[in-house]
Amino acid sequence: AQTVTQSQPEMSVQEAETVTLSCTYDTSESDYYLFWYKQPPSRQMILVIRQEAYKQQNATENRFSVNFQKAAKSFSLKISDSQLGDAAMYFCAYRSAVVGNEKLTFGTGTRLTIIP
Amino acid sequence: DTAVSQTPKYLVTQMGNDKSIKCEQNLGHDTMYWYKQDSKKFLKIMFSYNNKELIINETVPNRFSPKSPDKAHLNLHINSLELGDSAVYFCASSSRGADYNEQFFGPGTRLTVL
Repeated sequence: AQTVTQSQPEMSVQEAETVTLSCTYDTSESDYYLFWYKQPPSRQMILVIRQEAYKQQNATENRFSVNFQKAAKSFSLKISDSQLGDAAMYFCAYRSAVVGNEKLTFGTGTRLTIIP
Repeated sequence: DTAVSQTPKYLVTQMGNDKSIKCEQNLGHDTMYWYKQDSKKFLKIMFSYNNKELIINETVPNRFSPKSPDKAHLNLHINSLELGDSAVYFCASSSRGADYNEQFFGPGTRLTVL
């Protein structure tokens, strides 16, 4: 079974600075998908960024980028120019590429605080 | 034009009662899911349906019974509610074969069992 580990329960960053959230995972599969979800106090789950395992290029979405290290099974999220609206719980998630096993396996989350 | 909707958003009930949560998606997706988020914010899959067929049942007590009347709906019925069932329940949907098979989440239902 796959597992996802987020070792930072809480992080804080000064507004306009850069912060990196860590995520590692364990799997024996060679093809899979990785995601970062944001959950603000409204509790809505919002997809931030996604990465397909066979793509070597790191995904980027505006101020959000990932550092995907497949051999190390690491998938960190970098938020540049942090804004107050980035304050939320961030969840790393794994999804198998096997048809019929499309469930997301989540890490325990990192609570990000933005300091004005 | 809500993509994935859940009713109710809040549910407060007594131990031992039976309750249902409804989920509907208007995205034309063929796969739907129920996730449970506990008090420590941990999210875990409960069930998944593809084209009304149960494909994932993640060792959930049989007091929980999902029902998918059609591809657009996935309901969750809970019998004999217990204190430990208090959580936020999220419905999600996706399209098998779509790019990344991205899952879209509903707003969640906060269930409180007294």
